[in-house]
Amino acid sequence: AQSVSQHNHHVILSEAASLELGCNYSYGGTVNLFWYVQYPGQHLQLLLKYFSGDPLVKGIKGFEAEFIKSKFSFNLRKPSVQWSDTAEYFCAVRAGNQGGKLIFGQGTELSVKP
Amino acid sequence: NAGVTQTPKFQVLKTGQSMTLQCAQDMNHNSMYWYRQDPGMGLRLIYYSASEGTTDKGEVPNGYNVSRLNKREFSLRLESAAPSQTSVYFCASSPRDIYEQYFGPGTRLTVT
Repeated sequence: AQSVSQHNHHVILSEAASLELGCNYSYGGTVNLFWYVQYPGQHLQLLLKYFSGDPLVKGIKGFEAEFIKSKFSFNLRKPSVQWSDTAEYFCAVRAGNQGGKLIFGQGTELSVKP
Repeated sequence: NAGVTQTPKFQVLKTGQSMTLQCAQDMNHNSMYWYRQDPGMGLRLIYYSASEGTTDKGEVPNGYNVSRLNKREFSLRLESAAPSQTSVYFCASSPRDIYEQYFGPGTRLTVT
């Protein structure tokens, strides 16, 4: 069965630190990849997505992610985090033959200290 | 545009009671989805509807039923609630099933 793994469950950073959140998936075919963010008390919002083309994708609020096909990874990065980035981050994968079914990772809670 | 709306926001049920969670979208999207979110488990797909008139099981369909009432509305029914169904339920929609999904604000359900 397909799965998505986020290695970090809880990350604590100080403001201005750099961020990298890991995401690996298990599916050998074509995939679409997503990072969603859930701010405290709010619903999920799309940060960025990869469908095809340049494997380095840029999203909102200064986030970017790199798709490395050989490593089955789609890690999320931000050079300098802010207190307002405190949230839970979810990686999601849609396998090419699975219609609209998204498989989500377990989520990574990010706490940024001011 | 309100986007995706869900009612109710909160609900407490006793074991064995039934209820229907409502979801509506005003973005003219074809596909709609129901997820549950549990701590440490991310979101898991319960049911989805790729287009009006079709529904399919997701990862965790047991204990739930759905109805795609029309293009705008997709409801989730718990026929006989169990404590294991205590969760936060999210509805989502997308223009077509291959595109990104837009989420509603969620319903926090507690079954005692």
